[in-house]
Amino acid sequence: DIQMTQSPSTLSASVGDRVTITCRASQSISRRLAWYQQKPGKAPKLLIYKASSLESGVPSRFSGSGSGTEFTLTISSLQPDDFATYYCQHYYGYSPWTFGQGTKVEIK
Amino acid sequence: QVQLVESGGGVVQPGRSLRLSCAASGFTFNTYGMHWVRQAPGKGLEWVAVIWYDGSNKYYADSVKGRFTISRDNGKNTVYLQMNSLRAEDTAMYYCARENSVGPLDYWGQGTPVTVSS
Repeated sequence: DIQMTQSPSTLSASVGDRVTITCRASQSISRRLAWYQQKPGKAPKLLIYKASSLESGVPSRFSGSGSGTEFTLTISSLQPDDFATYYCQHYYGYSPWTFGQGTKVEIK
Repeated sequence: QVQLVESGGGVVQPGRSLRLSCAASGFTFNTYGMHWVRQAPGKGLEWVAVIWYDGSNKYYADSVKGRFTISRDNGKNTVYLQMNSLRAEDTAMYYCARENSVGPLDYWGQGTPVTVSS
């Protein structure tokens, strides 16, 4: 099975900061990677798919990059609404579609 | 608009069974793969199972293989998760989600909670 490892687990930042979250796959997944945002008590929300494609309606301050085994999610200027937990997930082949363990973005 | 509404969760004793349902509306259900994802209290997301648009293929996480069965009724626009031999570690919020045409999960339900406890 493909394992997904996110870092950091927790990130403290201020409004306006540039934030970067990393996700590593245990084997190449091409660009078959998605990023989700989850707020407490809510279902996850799709932000990015195919590593760098922005889901409709998602603010342009969110961006994704990478391919193969290394991926990043960047928030160019952190807004109050962005404090949440972020997960990566691969959707490569028929391997279990594992999620990363999550990165909680907290207010500094 | 796309809606996914889960139901069937509750409190169940270890070793017993439960069937979750997810009613879909607002899209052509029989053309989309459907997934179940769960989240234990205070923990991260865990992918559980997927069923193809026509029910022809199903895949499971190792943690539920042999105990859980995903199925769908395209006439009723509903996907199911039959959970047998439940364990305490199956306690979680269970979400159904739609797989969009290029792979990721673009719509999610609000979840249904399952508690396995004696």
